[in-house]
Amino acid sequence: SAVISQKPSRDICQRGTSLTIQCQVDSQVTMMFWYRQQPGQSLTLIATANQGSEATYESGFVIDKFPISRPNLTFSTLTVSNMSPEDSSIYLCSVLTGSNTGELFFGEGSRLTVL
Amino acid sequence: EDKVVQSPLSLVVHEGDTVTLNCSYEVTNFRSLLWYKQEKKAPTFLFMLTSSGIEKKSGRLSSILDKKELFSILNITATQTGDSAIYLCAVDGFQGGKLIFGQGTELSVKP
Repeated sequence: SAVISQKPSRDICQRGTSLTIQCQVDSQVTMMFWYRQQPGQSLTLIATANQGSEATYESGFVIDKFPISRPNLTFSTLTVSNMSPEDSSIYLCSVLTGSNTGELFFGEGSRLTVL
Repeated sequence: EDKVVQSPLSLVVHEGDTVTLNCSYEVTNFRSLLWYKQEKKAPTFLFMLTSSGIEKKSGRLSSILDKKELFSILNITATQTGDSAIYLCAVDGFQGGKLIFGQGTELSVKP
């Protein structure tokens, strides 16, 4: 298993601003992911955070809107840029441990409300 | 397009009842099916299923996979109010760790 710390846990933001969410893992992991969960919806993958290279984004998500950093194997950040009320969501960092099992562990999530 | 469908979307029961949650999937490649419980924000891992017909059990929760019919069920016996949560089903389709999630089933257990 892995212990994943995310911050902030929640924030209220103004339209047009940007916010960076941090994800810290207590051990080195190969795969880190960022998911979004909009109100009443299930989880949608935003991107895979790649260590030392650009993140891999899913369809519908772009780097300009959701820039991601991953400077090492235990840390990643997701920035939500130029926020609008539609960005109000829970953002979840997750890691894959045991590369052959596919078991994902999640951070506590960051609940963003954009006014 | 790969998809995971859960049913029912919501369910209200009373303590002591037994519930069955359903998850069906259509994916190009299949490695495993996972169940998560989400109470507030972070989903917590319950089970991972890779083989048909082998029941995984943890206390009052159990789950089984049918790879021929492409579905899984999650059973909760003698439900308690603490079981109230959203239960998420996800499939690992050999896509570099990416999981495809269903919509979730929101379970509410009344005293």
